[in-house]
Amino acid sequence: GAVVSQHPSWVICKSGTSVKIECRSLDFQATTMFWYRQFPKQSLMLMATSNEGSKATYEQGVEKDKFLINHASLTLSTLTVTSAHPEDSSFYICSARGARSDSPLHFGNGTRLTVT
Amino acid sequence: GESVGLHLPTLSVQEGDNSIINCAYSNSASDYFIWYKQESGKGPQFIIDIRSNMDKRQGQRVTVLLNKTVKHLSLQIAATQPGDSAVYFCAELIGSSARQLTFGSGTQLTVLP
Repeated sequence: GAVVSQHPSWVICKSGTSVKIECRSLDFQATTMFWYRQFPKQSLMLMATSNEGSKATYEQGVEKDKFLINHASLTLSTLTVTSAHPEDSSFYICSARGARSDSPLHFGNGTRLTVT
Repeated sequence: GESVGLHLPTLSVQEGDNSIINCAYSNSASDYFIWYKQESGKGPQFIIDIRSNMDKRQGQRVTVLLNKTVKHLSLQIAATQPGDSAVYFCAELIGSSARQLTFGSGTQLTVLP
């Protein structure tokens, strides 16, 4: 069964509103979570890395004020797309791993965001 | 191999044939590689991995080959089935602490009946 749960699986919102996406590790403590963005027919692009209890590290070109990441507990990280615009429409995927450096990386099933 | 731009490389194979999907990587410091399968509308699913101290690893119906000299990775799927139709990504793990995954561009595999 799924070890990383992502919610919602799809969301449609109006331009200018904010959307929150949750990523939960179900049966392990996720010290590190990663957020990816994927456009159609393209690969996954890492947006940010979040460690529980500390600020997320954003990849170059990703606006931290637009994509707010919170990793307040060892089982939950959230990505909030603030003031969403149509160009933010994409497939957002989270992944999580445990504390050990050889811990496997588990992926959520993604969230399809459509901004109208 | 790798593609540049918006279009995924595609591979079509007949059901029952073997499939070979290729991937090139650029970072010689990468020490761990993973193949993922992604079905439409879903997250990546782990298939098989290989460490840089190996050149071949076999799983159930899948084999990964690593050629560090030319920085090339391949995924071989034996007796390809309709359920194997998906996009396949190779990923390399970079960094000793953050251990971030960097994904290749992906290949769309279509299994023909």
